[in-house]
Amino acid sequence: DAGVIQSPRHEVTEMGQEVTLRCKPISGHDYLFWYRQTMMRGLELLIYFNNNVPIDDSGMPEDRFSAKMPNASFSTLKIQPSEPRDSAVYFCASSTGTIKGTEAFFGQGTRLTVV
Amino acid sequence: DQQVKQNSPSLSVQEGRISILNCDYTNSMFDYFLWYKKYPAEGPTFLISISSIKDKNEDGRFTVFLNKSAKHLSLHIVPSQPGDSAVYFCAATTYTNAGKSTFGDGTTLTVKP
Repeated sequence: DAGVIQSPRHEVTEMGQEVTLRCKPISGHDYLFWYRQTMMRGLELLIYFNNNVPIDDSGMPEDRFSAKMPNASFSTLKIQPSEPRDSAVYFCASSTGTIKGTEAFFGQGTRLTVV
Repeated sequence: DQQVKQNSPSLSVQEGRISILNCDYTNSMFDYFLWYKKYPAEGPTFLISISSIKDKNEDGRFTVFLNKSAKHLSLHIVPSQPGDSAVYFCAATTYTNAGKSTFGDGTTLTVKP
């Protein structure tokens, strides 16, 4: 398995533009997570899905952020409109969700820069 | 309220010596704990875990210790190697919500040759 695949690896956009981050989880994993890493706040969970259904989106910072999982093999995180303070590394991760398999497998991340 | 805390942002150790990374948690409901390692420009990767029914789990050079009464866990790396230089994240979860982990801020370990 190729692991969790995120695209793009790097994104530079202007303030006010829409940004879409993409993620393909590991096949067979029924949990998918979106994390954001910043110097100030560390690694914070934004939202996670179980069997394509959003379970907890309490970490989503504002209404400008939205996430979807239309099927088991694809998820998007959208920011509209983007702001400079959204600049961060965004990670997607997946897991089986069972306690022994609770360890999450992370993608390589998308480094977002909003100028 | 940060439920998982790694109070040391960085740690520097000589090659061959022991590295000890610490983690404290406040939520007594946590009953499963994980350590992840992260290299620059990569995502975190799982390293080792421990259930609250144990106080120690060992995997090669890595050992995790859990002190439930103190709500404290630590990761020991013996002997430390330069390739261990990375950011180490502590994470905690519950058996009833195994899909969701809460992460600490990470500790940057530097192992000097």
